[in-house]
Amino acid sequence: DQQVKQNSPSLSVQEGRISILNCDYTNSMFDYFLWYKKYPAEGPTFLISISSIKDKNEDGRFTVFLNKSAKHLSLHIVPSQPGDSAVYFCAVRRETGRRALTFGSGTRLQVQP
Amino acid sequence: ETGVTQSPTHLIKTRGQQVTLRCSSQSGHNTVSWYQQALGQGPQFIFQYYREEENGRGNFPPRFSGLQFPNYSSELNVNALELDDSALYLCASSSIGGENTGELFFGEGSRLTVL
Repeated sequence: DQQVKQNSPSLSVQEGRISILNCDYTNSMFDYFLWYKKYPAEGPTFLISISSIKDKNEDGRFTVFLNKSAKHLSLHIVPSQPGDSAVYFCAVRRETGRRALTFGSGTRLQVQP
Repeated sequence: ETGVTQSPTHLIKTRGQQVTLRCSSQSGHNTVSWYQQALGQGPQFIFQYYREEENGRGNFPPRFSGLQFPNYSSELNVNALELDDSALYLCASSSIGGENTGELFFGEGSRLTVL
C-alpha cells in the first residue's frame, strides 16, 4: 500500500515566484512529516520537518504546512531560486514501532531564471 | 565533522552473484539505516541497526542482510542478486537521542546494476 503520494512528478516555476509542492498520506499514525531535497549524484538532504501537533513550520524561504483533516502536507518555497532545482521527497515517520521513514516518489522542481 | 560515506559508488554485478556495500556513519551517530531507491521512486526502507543489532526491517527478503560494527559503520549484503535489485542503495545515520524529528543524514549512495 502506498502510504505517501506525491501526485505531481514535476513542477516548473519562474525565479522569484512561489513553488508549492504537495504530498498526501493515507493514515494518521505518523508523528513527524519531513521534506528532503536531492540533487543528482548526491544523497537526499534534510530540508524541514513538522510535528503532527503543529500545522505550520517556517525556516527562511521554506514553510511546511500540515492539514491533518485532509491528510495533506505541502512545502512552500518563496522566493524560488535556480539553486532550488532538485527532486523533493516528502517523508513520514510512524508514531510507534518501526521508526523508519516512508518516502513519496518525489517531485522534480525546475526553477527557470 | 565527517558526513556519511559509502563505498563503492558504482558497481556492476550479474544475476545470482553476491554484493557487499559499506557505510561509515556520521561522527557521533550510533544508528544506521539502509534504503533502496529504484529509478523514479522514493527511497524504501530495508533495515536499521542500533548497537550492532537489527532494530527494524522493511519488506525485503532474507537475502538482504546487514551488519553494524562497534565503530557504528555498517555493511549491506545482498545474495542471489536479481535484475530488480538494480537501484541506488542509500545509507543514513542518526542518533537515537537526536531522533526526535526523524531527521536522517544520508550518504551519496552506491549505485548497483545487475545484468
